[in-house]
Amino acid sequence: SQKIEQNSEALNIQEGKTATLTCNYTNYSPAYLQWYRQDPGRGPVFLLLIRENEKEKRKERLKVTFDTTLKQSLFHITASQPADSATYLCALDMLSNTGKLIFGQGTTLQVKP
Amino acid sequence: DGGITQSPKYLFRKEGQNVTLSCEQNLNHDAMYWYRQDPGQGLRLIYYSQIVNDFQKGDIAEGYSVSREKKESFPLTVTSAQKNPTAFYLCASSPLAVLAKNIQYFGAGTRLSVL
Repeated sequence: SQKIEQNSEALNIQEGKTATLTCNYTNYSPAYLQWYRQDPGRGPVFLLLIRENEKEKRKERLKVTFDTTLKQSLFHITASQPADSATYLCALDMLSNTGKLIFGQGTTLQVKP
Repeated sequence: DGGITQSPKYLFRKEGQNVTLSCEQNLNHDAMYWYRQDPGQGLRLIYYSQIVNDFQKGDIAEGYSVSREKKESFPLTVTSAQKNPTAFYLCASSPLAVLAKNIQYFGAGTRLSVL
């Protein structure tokens, strides 16, 4: 069966450390993988995406990797800050003409000062 | 200010009542989507529309209905047939242009509760 999974347990880290979030999928072949941030009671906001033939993408303190052999994406936040505390969602983009995405359930990150 | 506006922010439904959630966008996006989010679960697709006057069922369409009479508007009706409507509802839009890579832009959500 097709599945997309993120760490269901919340991730608690100390300010200044690197947070690493995982997104695993089975029986999908996404063309892109996207990451969104969602604050409590708000809608998700797009952060960045990575193509299937890209190994790594960076944006400021964010880094995403995409391993199509392992069927896994890792999302890193370096020098984490309490303001980075939020839920992070990964989404698979199959490049369908409908624009539909398949979302993971999200991982909640708590950065403690 | 470009974006997606959902209203109301909070909504209460009585037994047997239909309620309508509003979603308006001024991004000139072709596609619009409705998702339901329950605690600890991902976004589940209810309905989506790629063009005016056309829409398709998502994964959990039962008990819901939509319309797309204008490009900017995609209201969702939660009918009395939806027995467990308490959830956070999110509307999103996407340009569907090749270079846009299917990035979705979300509204702030409507929290629906049953009285």
